[in-house]
Amino acid sequence: DTQMTQSPSTLSASVGDKVTITCRASQIVGTWLAWYQQKPGRAPKLLIYKASTLKSGVPSRFSGSGSGTEFTLTISSLQPDDFATYYCQHYNSFPWTFGQGTKVQIK
Amino acid sequence: EVQLVQSGGGLVQPGGSLRLSCSASGFTFKAHSMHWVRQAPGKGLEYVSSIRSNGEFTFSADSVKGRFTISRDNSNDTLYLQMNSLRLEDTAVYYCVRGAGRDSTIAPFDPWGQGTLVTVSS
Repeated sequence: DTQMTQSPSTLSASVGDKVTITCRASQIVGTWLAWYQQKPGRAPKLLIYKASTLKSGVPSRFSGSGSGTEFTLTISSLQPDDFATYYCQHYNSFPWTFGQGTKVQIK
Repeated sequence: EVQLVQSGGGLVQPGGSLRLSCSASGFTFKAHSMHWVRQAPGKGLEYVSSIRSNGEFTFSADSVKGRFTISRDNSNDTLYLQMNSLRLEDTAVYYCVRGAGRDSTIAPFDPWGQGTLVTVSS
């Protein structure tokens, strides 16, 4: 199975900050990588797929990059609505595993 | 509007069984792979099981293999998860999820159902 490792686990930031989350895969997954946002008590929502493609309707301050085994999610200017937990997931081969999550909290 | 409405969660004793249902609407259900993902209280997301659009291929995580069975009824636009021999560690919110790509298994998960809580306790 491909293991996904995110860093950091927790991130403290202020509104307006640039935030970067890293996701590493234990095996090459190409660009079959998605990012999800989850708020407490809510279902996750897809933000980015194919490593760098923004889902329609997602604000352009979110961006993704990477290929192979190293990926990043960047929020260019953190907004109050962005405080949440973010997960990466590969969908290269079964099982489609998730990273452990990165909680973005208010500094 | 694409919707996934889940039902069937609840409290069950260890060793017991439960069946989750997920009713789909707003899209061509038979053209999409479907999946189940779970989240234990205070924990991260865990992949559970997948089924291809025609139901002819399924895959389950090792943690549930042999105990959980994913299935679908394309005539009624419904996804199921039959859970047998439930353990304490199966306690979680279970999410029904659509594979975003039409006629493609290699696709991210979008959208997600509202989630249903399964509690395994004596």
